[in-house]
Amino acid sequence: AQSVAQPEDQVNVAEGNPLTVKCTYSVSGNPYLFWYVQYPNRGLQFLLKYITGDNLVKGSYGFEAEFNKSQTSFHLKKPSALVSDSALYFCAIPRASGGSYIPTFGRGTSLIVHP
Amino acid sequence: GAGVSQTPSNKVTEKGKYVELRCDPISGHTALYWYRQSLGQGPEFLIYFQGTGAADDSGLPNDRFFAVRPEGSVSTLKIQRTERGDSAVYLCASSFGGSAGGGTDTQYFGPGTRLTVL
Repeated sequence: AQSVAQPEDQVNVAEGNPLTVKCTYSVSGNPYLFWYVQYPNRGLQFLLKYITGDNLVKGSYGFEAEFNKSQTSFHLKKPSALVSDSALYFCAIPRASGGSYIPTFGRGTSLIVHP
Repeated sequence: GAGVSQTPSNKVTEKGKYVELRCDPISGHTALYWYRQSLGQGPEFLIYFQGTGAADDSGLPNDRFFAVRPEGSVSTLKIQRTERGDSAVYLCASSFGGSAGGGTDTQYFGPGTRLTVL
């Protein structure tokens, strides 16, 4: 069965510093990988996805993620963090089902950006 | 523009009672998904509809859980004989549906219904 792991429950970073939220995956074959963000009292929002092609994927709000097959990782990054980036971040790996894709989510990482 | 809406936003019930949670998807979206999110966990898939039919219900935990989408738009998640362990945030998402673009069918999530079973 395919899965993702987010090894950090919480990441703390100062505003203006680069941030990384880690995700590793386990799957046979080539994966699709997603990142979602959940702001307080709001629904999950899709950030970016890796399907194929370039290992560096750019997404919403200045976020990017790097697919690394040798390390089975898909870490989320941003060059300069904002206080407003503080939220829960979920890595997900989808499986095909009935014409769509059903994501299996990691446990989430709470990102706290300090002013 | 209207996103995915869910009602009620909060529901408190007693153990053993029946509850219904409603989801209004984005207009024109043929695919609809239900997830459950417990505290400190990521969303856990429950069921997926393509149109009116359940295309994948492998995530429903037991037969106390049931969902319908009779006209291919609004969906209702029904929980019978609620238990304290059912307490969670129930999330609904919708998408255009289909596999066009190979996994690029982005799901749009609603704000969720927080269910508390006392």
